[in-house]
Amino acid sequence: KAGVTQTPRYLIKTRGQQVTLSCSPISGHRSVSWYQQTPGQGLQFLFEYFSETQRNKGNFPGRFSGRQFSNSRSEMNVSTLELGDSALYLCASSLSPAGGGNEQFFGPGTRLTVL
Amino acid sequence: GDSVTQMEGPVTLSEEAFLTINCTYTATGYPSLFWYVQYPGEGLQLLLKATKADDKGSNKGFEATYRKETTSFHLEKGSVQVSDSAVYFCALSLLTGGGNKLTFGTGTQLKVEL
Repeated sequence: KAGVTQTPRYLIKTRGQQVTLSCSPISGHRSVSWYQQTPGQGLQFLFEYFSETQRNKGNFPGRFSGRQFSNSRSEMNVSTLELGDSALYLCASSLSPAGGGNEQFFGPGTRLTVL
Repeated sequence: GDSVTQMEGPVTLSEEAFLTINCTYTATGYPSLFWYVQYPGEGLQLLLKATKADDKGSNKGFEATYRKETTSFHLEKGSVQVSDSAVYFCALSLLTGGGNKLTFGTGTQLKVEL
C-alpha cells in the first residue's frame, strides 16, 4: 500500500507570493492533518480535514488555509508569504475520524523556503 | 491548554548503552500518548503508543508506560544501536474533542556512537 505522498518536496518562493502544497493520503484514509515544523517553534498543528470539512484548526493566521477534495486529497495554501513561513510542512493521514489513539501516517514533507 | 515537555537534547550515547528520554504532559482531557521518530530528511514514524493509564507501548526494543499519577510517558531502550540515531518526539492526542490533532514536545535528538 502506498504511503502518504506530498508534492512538491522542495519549494522556493519570495516574500509576498502565495504557495499551494498537496497531500495524497493513504488509500482509504479520510482524515488529513497538516503540521508546520520549524527549528524555533517545533511541530505545530495547522488544521485537520475529514470528508471535505475542516474539523479542527490550530493558531495560525488566516493566510494559512486548506481544503480537501472528494477523493480525500488535500491542499494547503499560504498567501502573502513571509520569511517566517519557511518550514517543513508535514501532512498526516488517518483511517478514523475519531480522536484518541488513532495512528497517523506522515508524509515526507514539503520543504518551503521563503526568500 | 495541552502541552508536552520532553528533555532537551542532544543526547549522545555509546552503542549498547541504556536510553531514557523523559516526557511529561498536561492535558485538558483524557489523552492518548505517542512517541514518534524522525530520521534525517524524512517525515515522522510512529514508534509506539498507549491509550490509557498503565498501558505499556513497545516496539523495536523501545518501551514507554503511561503513568497518569505522574503525567509521564518516558521512553526507554535497554541497548541502543547506531541506527537509532534520530529525533524523538513525544506527543498527545485527546480522546474526545480534539479530532486527530497531535500536540508535540520539542523533540530530543539522539546520537549513538560506536
